[in-house]
Amino acid sequence: DTGVSQDPRHKITKRGQNVTFRCDPISEHNRLYWYRQTLGQGPEFLTYFQNEAQLEKSRLLSDRFSAERPKGSFSTLEIQRTEQGDSAMYLCASSPSGTGGSSYGYTFGSGTRLTVV
Amino acid sequence: QKEVEQNSGPLSVPEGAIASLNCTYSDRGSQSFFWYRQYSGKSPELIMFIYSNGDKEDGRFTAQLNKASQYVSLLIRDSQPSDSATYLCAVLRWNRDDKIIFGKGTRLHILP
Repeated sequence: DTGVSQDPRHKITKRGQNVTFRCDPISEHNRLYWYRQTLGQGPEFLTYFQNEAQLEKSRLLSDRFSAERPKGSFSTLEIQRTEQGDSAMYLCASSPSGTGGSSYGYTFGSGTRLTVV
Repeated sequence: QKEVEQNSGPLSVPEGAIASLNCTYSDRGSQSFFWYRQYSGKSPELIMFIYSNGDKEDGRFTAQLNKASQYVSLLIRDSQPSDSATYLCAVLRWNRDDKIIFGKGTRLHILP
C-alpha cells in the first residue's frame, strides 16, 4: 500500500446521470476525507469519516451527494442527477486518527476529475 | 472574512532567487499549518507543516509562523523552474473539528 488510490481518474457524464467514485485510503489511516476543487480555488471540504462513521458533512453537500465507508476501509462518493456545476476534481485524503492525528497533514489521492456535459 | 487568505498571484520570481509566499488565517484556534504544492491537473502534495511559532527549515523550503499576527509564510530558496506550481496554505483546528481548511492558493512562476 503506497498511498491513497482513487478510481476512476476521469469521468465524463451527461447531465442527469448518477456517478460513483471510489477511494482506498492508506491502510493504517482511520480517517478519510472528501474534498472538491474547482479551477482557481483551493480544495473545499465535503465530508469525513472516522472508520465507518461519517462525522461531518459540509453544507456544500446537497442531498444529491452521498458518501459511505461501509467497513471502515474504502469509501464511495455518489452524485445523483449530476449538474454542470458538479464538474470539478474530487479529492480523497486520509490521515491517522486520534488527538492531533491530522497534525502532520493529509495524504491526498490523485483525484477524480468529473466533467458533466 | 475567509478563514485562510492568500494572494492568488501569479507571483513571478527569477530562477535562483527567493520566492516568498504569504498566508493569513482568521481562527486563533488554528493549531497546525501546512503548505501544499499543486501542479496543474494534479492533486496537492504536502511539502511543509509547522505548529510552533518561528521558522522551520527543510532543504530549500522554510516555513514561518507568527500566531500573534495569524500569519504563515513559505520561503523557497534558489528557486527552480520545477517550483512553478500553485502553493496552497492550509490550517487545522484539531480538538475542534479536526479538518484542514485550504486557501485558494498562490500561483508561482519561476522565470528561467
